[in-house]
Amino acid sequence: ETVLTQSPDFQSVTPKEKVTITCRASQSIGSSLHWYQQKPNQSPKLLIKFASQSISGVPSRFSGSGSGTDFTLTINSLEAEDAATYYCHQSQSLPYTFGQGTKLELK
Amino acid sequence: QVQLVESGGGVVQPGMSLRLSCAASGFAFRSFAMQWVRQAPGKGLEGVAVISYDGSNIWYGDSVQGRFSISRDNSRNTLYLQMNSLRPEDTATYYCAKEDWGPLDYWGQGNRVTVSS
Repeated sequence: ETVLTQSPDFQSVTPKEKVTITCRASQSIGSSLHWYQQKPNQSPKLLIKFASQSISGVPSRFSGSGSGTDFTLTINSLEAEDAATYYCHQSQSLPYTFGQGTKLELK
Repeated sequence: QVQLVESGGGVVQPGMSLRLSCAASGFAFRSFAMQWVRQAPGKGLEGVAVISYDGSNIWYGDSVQGRFSISRDNSRNTLYLQMNSLRPEDTATYYCAKEDWGPLDYWGQGNRVTVSS
């Protein structure tokens, strides 16, 4: 099973800040890594697919990078509405797994 | 637009059964794999089951293997999750999700299942 480890688990953030969340895989997963945003009492929403591919309708301040075992989600100039929990997810091999989540909270 | 509407959740006692349904619309349901993902209260996301577009390939998470059964009716555009021998640790919000050859690009609204005596 591929274990995904995100860091940090929690971050206190301010508007306009640049935020970086990392996801490390226990084995190489190529580019089969996706990022989701989940706000309280809502379903997860796909933000980035295949490590760096943008999703229609997602603000351009969200970007992704990486391949193999190390991946990064970057939020440029964070807005208040970005306070949420972010999850990485791999689809390279079954069982498809999720990271434990990174919660961003406004200061 | 794509819609995934779930139903069938509720409160049940340990050992009982429940069936979740997920009605899909707005896309060619028969062409895409589907998944069930759950989230225990205050916890992260966990993959429960995956079914290929035609139902010929199925996978279950270790925690539900032998107790849960995923199926689909492509003529009714509906995904199912039959949950038997429910345990308190199965308490969670269950999401159905459309798989776009890897990423889960659309999710249902979530269906709460509580297993308690």
